[in-house]
Amino acid sequence: AQSVTQPDIHITVSEGASLELRCNYSYGATPYLFWYVQSPGQGLQLLLKYFSGDTLVQGIKGFEAEFKRSQSSFNLRKPSVHWSDAAEYFCAVVSSGAGSYQLTFGKGTKLSVIP
Amino acid sequence: GAVVSQHPSWVICKSGTSVKIECRSLDFQATTMFWYRQFPKQSLMLMATSNEGSKATYEQGVEKDKFLINHASLTLSTLTVTSAHPEDSSFYICSSARDTQVPGQRNEQFFGPGTRLTVL
Repeated sequence: AQSVTQPDIHITVSEGASLELRCNYSYGATPYLFWYVQSPGQGLQLLLKYFSGDTLVQGIKGFEAEFKRSQSSFNLRKPSVHWSDAAEYFCAVVSSGAGSYQLTFGKGTKLSVIP
Repeated sequence: GAVVSQHPSWVICKSGTSVKIECRSLDFQATTMFWYRQFPKQSLMLMATSNEGSKATYEQGVEKDKFLINHASLTLSTLTVTSAHPEDSSFYICSSARDTQVPGQRNEQFFGPGTRLTVL
């Protein structure tokens, strides 16, 4: 069964500092990988996704993530954090098989930003 | 494109009443829709997968008679919480998967904004 681990429950960074949120997955084949952001009381917004090709993926709001097969990781990065980035971030994986839709989410990482 | 809406966004009801939540894919056809539940400060928990025109598939531990799911068309799925109780209070999120065979796209879900249910 596939699983996703987000080791950091809560991260606090200063505005303008760089950010890296960790995500490790467990899956037998090449998965499809996603990062979502959720503001309080809101639904999920897709930041970026990896299906195939270039392992460095660019997303919205200045975020990027790198797929590293050897480490089973898909860490999310941003070079300079803004106060509006404070939110909950979820990494998710889905099987790449046809007709496979079931997403497996990590437990999430809460990001706090110090002005 | 790929917008999913939910209605209502927030509902308060008395214990024992039933509440219906609608999930619509606004600009694409969705043969498969998903219903999630999210408790405060926790991740999303998949409740059920619904396919248009057939019965929903419920995850282990989810009461199908309590959480009725209907997927009557390619753009609409409904979740009815029957005889709601305070422990059913939660944030319910739906998502839709596009009807496509394109690798990657067929596995991607698009999420609604969520519905906050409070049962008094």
